[in-house]
Amino acid sequence: GENVEQHPSTLSVQEGDSAVIKCTYSDSASNYFPWYKQELGKGPQLIIDIRSNVGEKKDQRIAVTLNKTAKHFSLHITETQPEDSAVYFCAASKGGFQKLVFGTGTRLLVSP
Amino acid sequence: SQTIHQWPATLVQPVGSPLSLECTVEGTSNPNLYWYRQAAGRGLQLLFYSVGIGQISSEVPQNLSASRPQDRQFILSSKKLLLSDSGFYLCAWSGTDNEKLFFGSGTQLSVL
Repeated sequence: GENVEQHPSTLSVQEGDSAVIKCTYSDSASNYFPWYKQELGKGPQLIIDIRSNVGEKKDQRIAVTLNKTAKHFSLHITETQPEDSAVYFCAASKGGFQKLVFGTGTRLLVSP
Repeated sequence: SQTIHQWPATLVQPVGSPLSLECTVEGTSNPNLYWYRQAAGRGLQLLFYSVGIGQISSEVPQNLSASRPQDRQFILSSKKLLLSDSGFYLCAWSGTDNEKLFFGSGTQLSVL
């Protein structure tokens, strides 16, 4: 089955810096890659997603890139702010959310 | 707009006691519904999913069960809780087009 690896497990940056979180997946049939942000004690919030027919997607300070050949995708956050501090999860699916496999999460800390 | 409600937010239960967690979705019809568990510092594990009333699929063998008595209601239950049932439980929904997956706010369950 699908396996998703996520790195780093923790990431500390200064406010205004960029942050990059990387994920690799094992199943070349996976075609949907969402990213979730989870604040302490809350449910994960979908922040951006990408499908395998595109290589990059941007939404304001957040972007996701996908390399299907290498089977990896990355989350890029520019001009980080303290409110970006949270745990971020990547995931991959090849069809239907019952097949969605999550990474183990990255704890991002943005210091003022 | 669609909203998902999950309660209670926190629950402390003794070993051997029963459990009932409830989730409801508003603003949509015939959603796909999911129960996830998140162990401390870990990723998300799919427990059950449902594509319609009375239709439940279990992803992992366990001490828990799920039911869907109404179109937009999903219930997670146990007859006798174990210590290992402690964790953060999340309900989620997606439309029948399976475009995106949205999570509720979660229930922190502590079994003592």
